[in-house]
Amino acid sequence: DQQVKQNSPSLSVQEGRISILNCDYTNSMFDYFLWYKKYPAEGPTFLISISSIKDKNEDGRFTVFLNKSAKHLSLHIVPSQPGDSAVYFCAASNTGNQFYFGTGTSLTVIP
Amino acid sequence: DGGITQSPKYLFRKEGQNVTLSCEQNLNHDAMYWYRQDPGQGLRLIYYSQIVNDFQKGDIAEGYSVSREKKESFPLTVTSAQKNPTAFYLCASSIPGRAPHEQYFGPGTRLTVT
Repeated sequence: DQQVKQNSPSLSVQEGRISILNCDYTNSMFDYFLWYKKYPAEGPTFLISISSIKDKNEDGRFTVFLNKSAKHLSLHIVPSQPGDSAVYFCAASNTGNQFYFGTGTSLTVIP
Repeated sequence: DGGITQSPKYLFRKEGQNVTLSCEQNLNHDAMYWYRQDPGQGLRLIYYSQIVNDFQKGDIAEGYSVSREKKESFPLTVTSAQKNPTAFYLCASSIPGRAPHEQYFGPGTRLTVT
């Protein structure tokens, strides 16, 4: 049973516009959420995280929003750049001992 | 420089053979993890270890075994009992319970069993 879901397998965005990647979860005990970026044949790299005590975290062009009542988080990338083209995974954790990953969204930024 | 090493990058084996995937880290992290990724699926946890000489099954541990004799090393053995061993395997490490407790991943090993 998938506890973390990314319902959009792919997303295409024009360079310079906003990319919005979405993620839903079912377990209300999750208290930490992360986004990872992955290029083909490489391991994921950490991008940004948010604790359940916050509803927004910003790092440069990347902002993560958390809506606990809806069990939903999103990643905004503004402005999108061609180098952002990758697969993005959201992940959730409770206590930090075990992480649950979504299925990923493949983002293509068109120059 | 610190990081996680997985070797080899590509591995080919005949069906019925056990194979061991290597994972080494010099980040001084206590926790280590093994995931597999299949096309169109997220990362699924196979095993994790929070401390030396201790490890826990993840969601898909059947057909796999691990050991954690040293802090730096967490090898994964894919046994002949694993029904669909062909996949991309990722090793990760983290500092458990410390925020931001994101995981650091190795480059992965693609295992093909024919």
